[in-house]
Amino acid sequence: DTEVTQTPKHLVMGMTNKKSLKCEQHMGHRAMYWYKQKAKKPPELMFVYSYEKLSINESVPSRFSPECPNSSLLNLHLHALQPEDSALYLCASSHVQGIAQYFGPGTRLTVL
Amino acid sequence: KNEVEQSPQNLTAQEGEFITINCSYSVGISALHWLQQHPGGGIVSLFMLSSGKKKHGRLIATINIQEKHSSLHITASHPRDSAVYICAVLMNRDDKIIFGKGTRLHILP
Repeated sequence: DTEVTQTPKHLVMGMTNKKSLKCEQHMGHRAMYWYKQKAKKPPELMFVYSYEKLSINESVPSRFSPECPNSSLLNLHLHALQPEDSALYLCASSHVQGIAQYFGPGTRLTVL
Repeated sequence: KNEVEQSPQNLTAQEGEFITINCSYSVGISALHWLQQHPGGGIVSLFMLSSGKKKHGRLIATINIQEKHSSLHITASHPRDSAVYICAVLMNRDDKIIFGKGTRLHILP
């Protein structure tokens, strides 16, 4: 199984909602990543979990909250988002923290 | 100046043409990654390189560490190759990953 799965595929939420994005891999990878991608822009790294230790991109607002329940699962909790947070959210994993990453199909988020 | 530059930004070609996409970087790296992103968003890893050349089917990737340059070639291009091709580097100094802005390729039938 060389797949990274993400749910949901699409999410529409209001600015007062709380929602979560989910990511799962069963490749035994010990590093998992959340990226945000706006249209026609490259992905921007938000968070990295490596051996269940979190590294944060300090520019990411606190309304995004990652959680790594175990080495196969990565969640991104969303609260009080803004319309400018609408984007494609990509999850990726790799054997160790680095560059050889497997990407999930993404969750397309729209904030109204 | 961006630390990772890709060229061209956009490329339209006829089916069958030989395609070259370039990636130049200005920092010390330990590895370079070529990624393909189709409309709809999914990203597929094509190659990871730290030296030399790799080939997979119609795709060839090369890297010249001294010149800080990598190329992605597509032979006998096909409309299904239409996608955005992204170069990403892993920096030596802090393991930070930097993405290029991507090259949007459109192959006409």
